[in-house]
Amino acid sequence: DQQVKQNSPSLSVQEGRISILNCDYTNSMFDYFLWYKKYPAEGPTFLISISSIKDKNEDGRFTVFLNKSAKHLSLHIVPSQPGDSAVYFCAASAGGNTPLVFGKGTRLSVIA
Amino acid sequence: EADIYQTPRYLVIGTGKKITLECSQTMGHDKMYWYQQDPGMELHLIHYSYGVNSTEKGDLSSESTVSRIRTEHFPLTLESARPSHTSQYLCASKSDRLYYNEQFFGPGTRLTVL
Repeated sequence: DQQVKQNSPSLSVQEGRISILNCDYTNSMFDYFLWYKKYPAEGPTFLISISSIKDKNEDGRFTVFLNKSAKHLSLHIVPSQPGDSAVYFCAASAGGNTPLVFGKGTRLSVIA
Repeated sequence: EADIYQTPRYLVIGTGKKITLECSQTMGHDKMYWYQQDPGMELHLIHYSYGVNSTEKGDLSSESTVSRIRTEHFPLTLESARPSHTSQYLCASKSDRLYYNEQFFGPGTRLTVL
């Protein structure tokens, strides 16, 4: 059973608009969440993270929101740019020593 | 910028061959990981290591083996490759200095077994 779920396999957004990528998790022991971006034939690149003591973290155009009661997090990209087109993976960890658990990814296409 | 390297980047081999995928990092990270990823699927953890002489199997059953003789080097070996091993293999490392911190990934090896 998947512990980290990204239910939208793909998303298309116009350049300049907001992209919202969603992620749900089932394991209440998860306390650290990360978003990675992946281009084809490359390894994932870390984007932004949030620990469970926060409900929001911002880094430039990227903001991650965490709703612990709903076991849901989202990544907002504003404004979206064509270079943001990639697959975005949500990942979660149950503490510093436990490996990350990944979702299946959402392919974002930003249309000029 | 993270310094983690994987070779080869692409490999096409025949069934039954023995192969080793190389992974090296220059950051002095204790923790290293191997993932397998297919298009449209999550990254599956196949092996990890918390330091020299430490190796563990991940969640995904794998016919591969790993070794960790040096901190910077974490090679993965397939004794007899099969078409079912065709996939992308991603190596990652993580520092122990902070409780919460990210993993850094290498560029990956795309393996095709004919």
